[in-house]
Amino acid sequence: ETGVTQSPTHLIKTRGQQVTLRCSSQSGHNTVSWYQQALGQGPQFIFQYYREEENGRGNFPPRFSGLQFPNYSSELNVNALELDDSALYLCASSSRGAGNTIYFGEGSWLTVV
Amino acid sequence: AQRVTQPEKLLSVFKGAPVELKCNYSYSGSPELFWYVQYSRQRLQLLLRHISRESIKGFTADLNKGETSFHLKKPFAQEEDSAMYYCALKGRTDSWGKLQFGAGTQVVVTP
Repeated sequence: ETGVTQSPTHLIKTRGQQVTLRCSSQSGHNTVSWYQQALGQGPQFIFQYYREEENGRGNFPPRFSGLQFPNYSSELNVNALELDDSALYLCASSSRGAGNTIYFGEGSWLTVV
Repeated sequence: AQRVTQPEKLLSVFKGAPVELKCNYSYSGSPELFWYVQYSRQRLQLLLRHISRESIKGFTADLNKGETSFHLKKPFAQEEDSAMYYCALKGRTDSWGKLQFGAGTQVVVTP
């Protein structure tokens, strides 16, 4: 079984630009969550997608948006990048249901300059 | 508001010594609690969850609702336990993939 994969692993963007991060969920998983992890902090929940619809959102502004595709892969889009958006972005997948483990990807490091 | 607090940023212990990582939470209700671990150059992975009441790699954690704590313990630390540990909480009504993480505790086990 393949794990959660994310791309790109590292990228640098300029303030005001837009970025798209991609995630392939683990085989058989239909739920994808995105997290932002700033340096020295724990991961913070951005949102979750289930059956191609947003199904829960954390305290992040609308310029953070996402998509889930029929194959359960997902994208995180961030518009109008700010310096504080510099962080590790983690994707996690699971099969919906109590007791199912959430599996994390290795993350995408975003630096905004 | 729900919150997870890990008061120690760094915990340094000798091999063979007991180790305890503290986790306190605030939540009105009965949450689910987890411990996640991240070894060097590896991804974040689940270590254990309170509902399973299991012991993984010698670690145990007991949910104390009175003290709102979920401390992680191991009686004899090993060098391979050196890692970053995160305590996480899921509210009963939260969507399945939503976890509230603490800031993490870096554990260093020295020989």
